[in-house]
Amino acid sequence: GDSVTQMEGPVTLSEEAFLTINCTYTATGYPSLFWYVQYPGEGLQLLLKATKADDKGSNKGFEATYRKETTSFHLEKGSVQVSDSAVYFCALSDRASTDKLIFGTGTRLQVFP
Amino acid sequence: DTAVSQTPKYLVTQMGNDKSIKCEQNLGHDTMYWYKQDSKKFLKIMFSYNNKELIINETVPNRFSPKSPDKAHLNLHINSLELGDSAVYFCASSRETSGAFFGQGTRLTVV
Repeated sequence: GDSVTQMEGPVTLSEEAFLTINCTYTATGYPSLFWYVQYPGEGLQLLLKATKADDKGSNKGFEATYRKETTSFHLEKGSVQVSDSAVYFCALSDRASTDKLIFGTGTRLQVFP
Repeated sequence: DTAVSQTPKYLVTQMGNDKSIKCEQNLGHDTMYWYKQDSKKFLKIMFSYNNKELIINETVPNRFSPKSPDKAHLNLHINSLELGDSAVYFCASSRETSGAFFGQGTRLTVV
């Protein structure tokens, strides 16, 4: 079945460092891909999305490009802030069947001043 | 205005009790979901409804019964609560492939 694999955390960075969180997926169809962020004690917020190959999703300085050839959707940010500390989830939705989201295990990001 | 709201935010109850969690969305979405997040933060879908019709039931014990009185509401009733039901339950809604919008979650603790 469809699945999402994320890098293990926590990822610990200093403020203004470059961030990459790896995400790869397995899907039989042509999924839409998403990054969600969960701040402590809160629900999930949609951070960005891409619905087809080579699309780039971007929001709040975060970017991710849908790479069909490598089945990847890595999250990047050029300069992280302490306020970016949260858990980040990569997810896919297979449009051919339902819109249910299949999540990766989440990656905790900790940014220190 | 809160897009997806669920109540209560916290729920502490004894084993064997029956409890309900309510969810409402004001986004006009056709599809609503319940997801469960375990203690390791892993998220998994439980149910999906589209226009009040059950679309997905992911092998959830039949002690869990969703009910959708209209397309803006999806409630979750849990009978005979067990310790292993302790988790955070998230309601969500979506339209087509826009991505789901999530509520703030209900932290259920069974003691």
